[in-house]
Amino acid sequence: AQRVTQPEKLLSVFKGAPVELKCNYSYSGSPELFWYVQYSRQRLQLLLRHISRESIKGFTADLNKGETSFHLKKPFAQEEDSAMYYCALSAFDGSGNTGKLIFGQGTTLQVKP
Amino acid sequence: DTEVTQTPKHLVMGMTNKKSLKCEQHMGHRAMYWYKQKAKKPPELMFVYSYEKLSINESVPSRFSPECPNSSLLNLHLHALQPEDSALYLCASSRRPGQGEGANVLTFGAGSRLTVL
Repeated sequence: AQRVTQPEKLLSVFKGAPVELKCNYSYSGSPELFWYVQYSRQRLQLLLRHISRESIKGFTADLNKGETSFHLKKPFAQEEDSAMYYCALSAFDGSGNTGKLIFGQGTTLQVKP
Repeated sequence: DTEVTQTPKHLVMGMTNKKSLKCEQHMGHRAMYWYKQKAKKPPELMFVYSYEKLSINESVPSRFSPECPNSSLLNLHLHALQPEDSALYLCASSRRPGQGEGANVLTFGAGSRLTVL
């Protein structure tokens, strides 16, 4: 079964502390994984994807196929990082032609001053 | 233009009404999506259009009827909805469907908040 698990509903840290938002997935094929973010009163938007191996706003995420994880990390949290974070997995139909994103339940990151 | 525009922002309808949600993008994206999002929950996929053809229907009740008149427009026709259908309906698009570069990088609209009385 295709599934994304984000075990924490809420993660609360102080400004300047390291952050790790956990994401585990279940998928039989070769996964494509993403982190999407939703700031208060803003649209859901892409934060980063494993294919590009980039760092956005100081966040990084490494795909670990052995542990089936794609945790999101930032060494020093900022107050403006407070938002809802969704891990997402792209999954495909039998023909492999049509993709869809499966979202985890989301983790609210709260960065306190 | 790098946005997905959804109208209306808010919609209140009775269970016997017929209404439509509209979505527009001018980024040349060839995959368009409808998602439903309840409060504090992740978006749930409803429909995917690939090159203007319906490619995924996630067993959505027939009271929701999608339509893709052209590559820039996506509609969701609503009829005989139930109060439990009240939610934020999100439209999204991606450069292309499938896998790899440009796929699954979704640009979301701000959503249409639907209340069914």
